Amino acid sequence: GAGVSQSPRYKVAKRGQDVALRCDPISGHVSLFWYQQALGQGPEFLTYFQNEAQLDKSGLPSDRFFAERPEGSVSTLKIQRTQQEDSAVYLCASSLHRAPGEKLFFGSGTQLSVL
Amino acid sequence: DAKTTQPNSMESNEEEPVHLPCNHSTISGTDYIHWYRQLPSQGPEYVIHGLTSNVNNRMASLAIAEDRKSSTLILHRATLRDAAVYYCILLPGTASKLTFGTGTRLQVTL
Repeated sequence: GAGVSQSPRYKVAKRGQDVALRCDPISGHVSLFWYQQALGQGPEFLTYFQNEAQLDKSGLPSDRFFAERPEGSVSTLKIQRTQQEDSAVYLCASSLHRAPGEKLFFGSGTQLSVL
Repeated sequence: DAKTTQPNSMESNEEEPVHLPCNHSTISGTDYIHWYRQLPSQGPEYVIHGLTSNVNNRMASLAIAEDRKSSTLILHRATLRDAAVYYCILLPGTASKLTFGTGTRLQVTL
C-alpha cells in the first residue's frame, strides 16, 4: 500500500485482557515509531525502532507495554492486562532513513477502548 | 527539550490566508522547526520544516523570525479541508522522535 497501515482500526477490550496492535510501515522504511494519543491531547512518544532494533523505549508507560519488530518491517504493540487508562489512539509512524529530523508518515491509528 | 507555545485555537474564513504563530524563545542553534497537522480521525501529517530561512512548499510557507524565537505557518488560501490541529515542534538536529504539544485547532468557515 501507499501509506502506513494499522490494524485493527478499532479495538474494544475488557479490563485485564491482552491486546495486540499491528503496524505495517511503508515498504523499505527503516525507522518506526509508536505514539499514544489521549483524547484532546497531542501524541505522546512510546518507542522507536531502527530496522529490528528497539533503540528507544523510554516512553512506554509500564512493563505491561511491549513492542517488537522482529524482521525490521511489521511491528506489533502488545498491551498486557489492559487498564481503563490505556484507552487511547495508538499511532504508528515510519520514515525512510535513520536521519534525524526526517519527516514521519503516520497511520490513521488504532482506537483502543478498555471497558 | 526546547518548548513551543501556540494559541489553542484560531478561526479563518475559506479562501483567506491564515497565519499560525508559534513561539519558541528557548530554541537552540541546531533545532529544526517542524510543522505537522492532524485532521479529524487521522494521524498527523507532515506540513513543512525549516532551520533558519523561510521555506515554501505546495502545502504552506514557513516564515522564521530573524532571531529564530518565533515562526509562522502560512496557509495561503484556507479551505474547509485545512481544518485540523496544527503542531509546531522543535526537533534537535541529532534527534529522531517528535515531541508534540497540544497544537492550534484551526476552524475554517464558509
